[in-house]
Amino acid sequence: GAVVSQHPSWVICKSGTSVKIECRSLDFQATTMFWYRQFPKQSLMLMATSNEGSKATYEQGVEKDKFLINHASLTLSTLTVTSAHPEDSSFYICSARVPATREQYFGPGTRLTVT
Amino acid sequence: DQQVKQNSPSLSVQEGRISILNCDYTNSMFDYFLWYKKYPAEGPTFLISISSIKDKNEDGRFTVFLNKSAKHLSLHIVPSQPGDSAVYFCAASSSWGKLQFGSGTQVVVTP
Repeated sequence: GAVVSQHPSWVICKSGTSVKIECRSLDFQATTMFWYRQFPKQSLMLMATSNEGSKATYEQGVEKDKFLINHASLTLSTLTVTSAHPEDSSFYICSARVPATREQYFGPGTRLTVT
Repeated sequence: DQQVKQNSPSLSVQEGRISILNCDYTNSMFDYFLWYKKYPAEGPTFLISISSIKDKNEDGRFTVFLNKSAKHLSLHIVPSQPGDSAVYFCAASSSWGKLQFGSGTQVVVTP
């Protein structure tokens, strides 16, 4: 299957700072990528849909000014958590959709801890 | 309003036997369905998918069955192996839209 990477795999930051998470499709070009958040023992919660070359589409209740998404190339999307607070601590996962098949492949996830 | 439901939060199965995971959906516009396997602190791993124009898709030990009239799909894993112990999510989408996930089923394969 297709491979999606995320970097970093885990990050600890202080409250008030910003953190950037990268999502890359390694062996295919993805015009659409997705960002999810997973709380403990819960299903994945879609945060936003990232389309290459255009603005991201955010789900209801997700603050677009807090979670900045940039999809500048066909293989890279970034999520920046701005002015992070402890309640932003979570497991963030991206996915990329294979254009021809509709299959979505997920990255390994990024564990964010805000102290 | 959850459009994709996995009503069994857990399933225990003996090694070598068949695992059957079930998923129901309510949105008749869904036309593409996927199954993922997930370990803790990792991203989901794609297993198998099926389009609504089919009623069965097979890939190795994994077979997905789709019953459109009942709005039901199932994943069969045969034979079950210890490494299959994980949480399994079904997901559905319509017209290239976003995926809607079920709540997951924890599978435990016992020796």
